[in-house]
Amino acid sequence: DQQVKQNSPSLSVQEGRISILNCDYTNSMFDYFLWYKKYPAEGPTFLISISSIKDKNEDGRFTVFLNKSAKHLSLHIVPSQPGDSAVYFCAASAWEAAGNKLTFGGGTRVLVKP
Amino acid sequence: DTEVTQTPKHLVMGMTNKKSLKCEQHMGHRAMYWYKQKAKKPPELMFVYSYEKLSINESVPSRFSPECPNSSLLNLHLHALQPEDSALYLCASSQGPGVKTEAFFGQGTRLTVV
Repeated sequence: DQQVKQNSPSLSVQEGRISILNCDYTNSMFDYFLWYKKYPAEGPTFLISISSIKDKNEDGRFTVFLNKSAKHLSLHIVPSQPGDSAVYFCAASAWEAAGNKLTFGGGTRVLVKP
Repeated sequence: DTEVTQTPKHLVMGMTNKKSLKCEQHMGHRAMYWYKQKAKKPPELMFVYSYEKLSINESVPSRFSPECPNSSLLNLHLHALQPEDSALYLCASSQGPGVKTEAFFGQGTRLTVV
């Protein structure tokens, strides 16, 4: 049972335009959400996060929106650059005394065309 | 310094071998993690260490044995692995259990079992 889903396996966008990546989750206990970027044969790199008490967080070209009622979040990248071409993972965690277990979505491969 | 260092970067081992993966962080983080990532799949949690104690084991087979010698180091001992265990093994760290912050990942060890 996939608790975090990214329904678009790939996305192609022109340089300078907006990239919108979507993520849905089913576990209502999730209260912290993150986006990671990953290049092949490397570890995920943290991009941006959002707590469930907020509905928007912005950091430079990256903005994450959270709709708790719909159990949906999205990542906006504006403007998109060729170096943004990578796989993007949405991740979620619920408070646990034992540690921050991250549950990842399946990933979306983004290709930014010059 | 937001670096998590993993060694080796690549490892090829036979099914009867014993090997170890190593991970180091100097960010003062008190939670450390092992994740496994198969090709075209998201990372999946294996183990969580909180304050140097194993706090979560996601039903990982005993041929994988984690160890946390001190707050900066995390090892994963491998013995009698199967070819299907071939994957990218990722180490991560975060501030501490229950603290809503991002996890930082190492570059991973690409393991091939022959």
